[in-house]
Amino acid sequence: ETGVTQSPTHLIKTRGQQVTLRCSSQSGHNTVSWYQQALGQGPQFIFQYYREEENGRGNFPPRFSGLQFPNYSSELNVNALELDDSALYLCASSLIQGEETQYFGPGTRLLVL
Amino acid sequence: DQQVKQNSPSLSVQEGRISILNCDYTNSMFDYFLWYKKYPAEGPTFLISISSIKDKNEDGRFTVFLNKSAKHLSLHIVPSQPGDSAVYFCAASDYNQGGKLIFGQGTELSVKP
Repeated sequence: ETGVTQSPTHLIKTRGQQVTLRCSSQSGHNTVSWYQQALGQGPQFIFQYYREEENGRGNFPPRFSGLQFPNYSSELNVNALELDDSALYLCASSLIQGEETQYFGPGTRLLVL
Repeated sequence: DQQVKQNSPSLSVQEGRISILNCDYTNSMFDYFLWYKKYPAEGPTFLISISSIKDKNEDGRFTVFLNKSAKHLSLHIVPSQPGDSAVYFCAASDYNQGGKLIFGQGTELSVKP
């Protein structure tokens, strides 16, 4: 059984650009959540996808969007990047929607210059 | 509004002794609580969880205690080992919010040989 994987591991972008981060869920997991972790803080919930539909969103603007595919892999897209978007982006999957135990990937470290 | 708080940013413990990490929350609707451990350059790893209908859950060297009246939970590690050195996050969720995890800021545990 494979765990949650994310790509790329590191990324550098400039302000105003767009970025796409990718996540492959743990085998059999149909729910994926994305979190942003700023330096020195705990992860903050961005949104969750279940059966390819957004199923809950945190306090993030619409320029943060996502997709979930039939194979349960997922993307996080961020448009019009700002300096404050620099953070570790974590993807987490869970076996069923609403199950609280989520399993995290290693994250993508994004730096916006 | 920080709904989950870990007031100690760091904790240093001698190998073999007990480590106690604390977490407070404000939202009485939280019904499930989790502890995650995070090493640098890795995603959070699930450690142990507890439902709000229990006041204690034990798994090997790790025990989580929940005091609902005080809105407080703690993680006990006995005996502590150098490999336990990491950042520990507590997280909480409300089932009606569909699996969204709210994290504390983390406590960095250092176990010295």
